[in-house]
Amino acid sequence: EDQVTQSPEALRLQEGESSSLNCSYTVSGLRGLFWYRQDPGKGPEFLFTLYSAGEEKEKERLKATLTKKESFLHITAPKPEDSATYLCAVQASNDYKLSFGAGTTVTVRA
Amino acid sequence: GAVVSQHPSWVICKSGTSVKIECRSLDFQATTMFWYRQFPKQSLMLMATSNEGSKATYEQGVEKDKFLINHASLTLSTLTVTSAHPEDSSFYICSARVASGYEQYFGPGTRLTVT
Repeated sequence: EDQVTQSPEALRLQEGESSSLNCSYTVSGLRGLFWYRQDPGKGPEFLFTLYSAGEEKEKERLKATLTKKESFLHITAPKPEDSATYLCAVQASNDYKLSFGAGTTVTVRA
Repeated sequence: GAVVSQHPSWVICKSGTSVKIECRSLDFQATTMFWYRQFPKQSLMLMATSNEGSKATYEQGVEKDKFLINHASLTLSTLTVTSAHPEDSSFYICSARVASGYEQYFGPGTRLTVT
């Protein structure tokens, strides 16, 4: 069974204070690892897909990286508008389903 | 691009009644749509996978007779919660997979409250 573990559960940052979120996973044949952002009361918003170890993707202040066992989401110089829950999910090569981690709730204070 | 809508955004119903939630892909065709539920401060739990024109595949523990899913076209899937009870109160979110890719794009969610 696919397992996704995210840490920490919550992260409180000062504006401009860079940090990283971790997503550890076990899956039988990884097709892709996905990062989403979810605001309270809203559906998840797609951020990145990573397909192979060593791959990196960037979007504004966010950068996602992938190894064979984990992924990191780096937030550089965060702003209050980056406050959200960040969800990591994996997709096995034999299916289109996503298995989600519990998420990391990031709060950025001005 | 890749916009998914849900209707209604929130609904309150009485115990024992049924409620239908619509999920539409607005600017792409979705051969596969997914239905999730999310409890407060918890992650998304997949309920079922639906493919256009075929029966939905339900996850273990999800009652298929209670949560009826129809995927009649490439842009529309519906979830009907039958004989709803207070324990069915939750945030229901759908997603759609672009036919040419692997990403899922999510709708804004529907808050169901059963009184």
